[in-house]
Amino acid sequence: DVKVTQSSRYLVKRTGEKVFLECVQDMDHENMFWYRQDPGLGLRLIYFSYDVKMKEKGDIPEGYSVSREKKERFSLILESASTNQTSMYLCASSHGQGNTEAFFGQGTRLTVV
Amino acid sequence: AQSVTQPDIHITVSEGASLELRCNYSYGATPYLFWYVQSPGQGLQLLLKYFSGDTLVQGIKGFEAEFKRSQSSFNLRKPSVHWSDAAEYFCAVGGLGGGGADGLTFGKGTHLIIQP
Repeated sequence: DVKVTQSSRYLVKRTGEKVFLECVQDMDHENMFWYRQDPGLGLRLIYFSYDVKMKEKGDIPEGYSVSREKKERFSLILESASTNQTSMYLCASSHGQGNTEAFFGQGTRLTVV
Repeated sequence: AQSVTQPDIHITVSEGASLELRCNYSYGATPYLFWYVQSPGQGLQLLLKYFSGDTLVQGIKGFEAEFKRSQSSFNLRKPSVHWSDAAEYFCAVGGLGGGGADGLTFGKGTHLIIQP
C-alpha cells in the first residue's frame, strides 16, 4: 500500500522560529510537492521537486524553502515563522513525468503563535 | 494557465438522495482530471481519475464522473449518498508536462453536508 508520511500531525511554534516539516514517501516516486491548504482558498502549491537536489517554486514560495537530499524525503522549511503561516500543510508525491495522480500525506496542522 | 472552478462552496443533500458536484477546468492540452475527497483533519484520498478513453469513469465508494470536453467539465456523481460521504471534495487538473511535473491545480473545494 502506497504511503506518504508527514512527521507531525500538529505543531505549535513561536513567531520567528525556524520550522521544519518532514515528508517521506515509500513509493520510489520522482516527484514530491508541498501544498498549503486554507479555508476558501483550496490547495496552493508552495514548492515541488522532480529529482534529488532539484527544487522549483510553486505559486506561493515566499517565506518558505525546501530540501531534497534523498529521493524519498522532502522537507519544507519556514526560515522565520510568522502568524500568517498558520495553516494545514500537505505533502504529496507522484510518479514520472507529467502531472499525474498524486498521493497525499495526512497533513500537518501548523499554528504559529 | 490552467485553472479549476468548483462553483458550489457548500452543498447540502439528504441521505439517500442523488448528488452531483460540478467542476469546470481550463487546460491548454489534453487534461488529466481527478476528484479527491478529504475527511476532517485528514489528507486527500483519490476518488477517481480520467486520463483517456471512456468518458464515464468509475471510482471508489460508488462515485462516478463524466468528462465532457465540449463543456470543459468533469462533474462528480453518486446515485445515493450516505452520511459518511460528508466531507470536502476537490477537483484537480494536470497533464503531461515537458519533463518532470509541476503539480496538480486544484479547485477551491465543495463542502458536502448530509442531512439525515
